[in-house]
Amino acid sequence: DAGITQSPRHKVTETGTPVTLRCHQTENHRYMYWYRQDPGHGLRLIHYSYGVKDTDKGEVSDGYSVSRSKTEDFLLTLESATSSQTSVYFCATKGVLNTEAFFGQGTRLTVV
Amino acid sequence: GESVGLHLPTLSVQEGDNSIINCAYSNSASDYFIWYKQESGKGPQFIIDIRSNMDKRQGQRVTVLLNKTVKHLSLQIAATQPGDSAVYFCAENILPGNTPLVFGKGTRLSVIA
Repeated sequence: DAGITQSPRHKVTETGTPVTLRCHQTENHRYMYWYRQDPGHGLRLIHYSYGVKDTDKGEVSDGYSVSRSKTEDFLLTLESATSSQTSVYFCATKGVLNTEAFFGQGTRLTVV
Repeated sequence: GESVGLHLPTLSVQEGDNSIINCAYSNSASDYFIWYKQESGKGPQFIIDIRSNMDKRQGQRVTVLLNKTVKHLSLQIAATQPGDSAVYFCAENILPGNTPLVFGKGTRLSVIA
């Protein structure tokens, strides 16, 4: 998994609570991504980062924010969790010299 | 573990037969394509890629074919094995790859022993 660790691996939270998912990489990759995976939708991009403190929105960014204060960590925050955010979340990274992205193991989030 | 849901196109193949998984991509400007394999409970893993200046690329037991005219990509797996059972995604990008990959919805391959 190219040295990508997602935490937690599983989480159950209540509607309206804030939640933060962490992605940690040891590859010194410049680019980092958060995707969500849902039945019938495949992998959809939430937010991504070009580098430290440099982030941009993906196609499904509403209700999510991100931060990247150092190269190795990319945090995804659900500001006020809703049931529609129940999903499997994947972090991915890519180095400047890579063309493919490498994925973490995923985090299963359930909002009740 | 983490896995894709149930609402995917499914291809069922007898062990030992060849598999062909198809993908239609959306952006005519895309010039780089990847196939990923996702086993149950795991993140997607790179299988093979192809650039738009090629129409065929072979790996170990896998071949990717690219038809830019109709924006179609296929993954061929020779002598399919039970370990090939997984969800397969195609992804597209524009080189040098500063923008994120865009993924297709995936196909579940089920190998019948």
